[in-house]
Amino acid sequence: DAKTTQPPSMDCAEGRAANLPCNHSTISGNEYVYWYRQIHSQEPQYIIHGLKNNETNEMASLIITEDRKSSTLILPHATLRDTAVYYCIVGSSTGTASKLTFGTGTRLQVTL
Amino acid sequence: DAGVTQSPTHLIKTRGQQVTLRCSPKSGHDTVSWYQQALGQGPQFIFQYYEEEERQRGNFPDRFSGHQFPNYSSELNVNALLLGDSALYLCASSTRGVTGELFFGEGSRLTVL
Repeated sequence: DAKTTQPPSMDCAEGRAANLPCNHSTISGNEYVYWYRQIHSQEPQYIIHGLKNNETNEMASLIITEDRKSSTLILPHATLRDTAVYYCIVGSSTGTASKLTFGTGTRLQVTL
Repeated sequence: DAGVTQSPTHLIKTRGQQVTLRCSPKSGHDTVSWYQQALGQGPQFIFQYYEEEERQRGNFPDRFSGHQFPNYSSELNVNALLLGDSALYLCASSTRGVTGELFFGEGSRLTVL
């Protein structure tokens, strides 16, 4: 699986958009980009995933560059409850989607 | 609809002992994966079970073994426990052939003394 690079920490003011970057320059054609988050002492929680097109759901938007070498997770209106570690993961598609290689993630701190 | 359930939630063992952790996947899921999360680290993939067989394995020694039952539930066994095995053990379920979300249980926190 391709390796990802994320900043170790970021801050965001409550109500503002949080933009979390991720580099995955060695991603291969059939690999998806997954985002999970882990709020302190809780289990990882799925946020969103995508292959090449931008994706949006009720939690967030995922913007993938045309060359697929990087992506950005956008939380449009961050709240204090969004404070968590966010993991960007590149993984294979069907069949092996459960083998995810978590890195150290980005610790997002949302402040008043 | 119950999500992924794990037991026990907490346990304490001593070095050299053996432990068994249990997981029931989300209803409708047939694939179970196990992860180890040490304090301050991201989860690390241990192995995946589908159709009662180990399908993929991460970089973990043979002391870590597992089993999947016909009802898709799974066990993780760790033999000859070491202090370094202290961690949160997470079970995740999914449906083979479907791309997307892994559903995680709340984990079993193992402390080895």
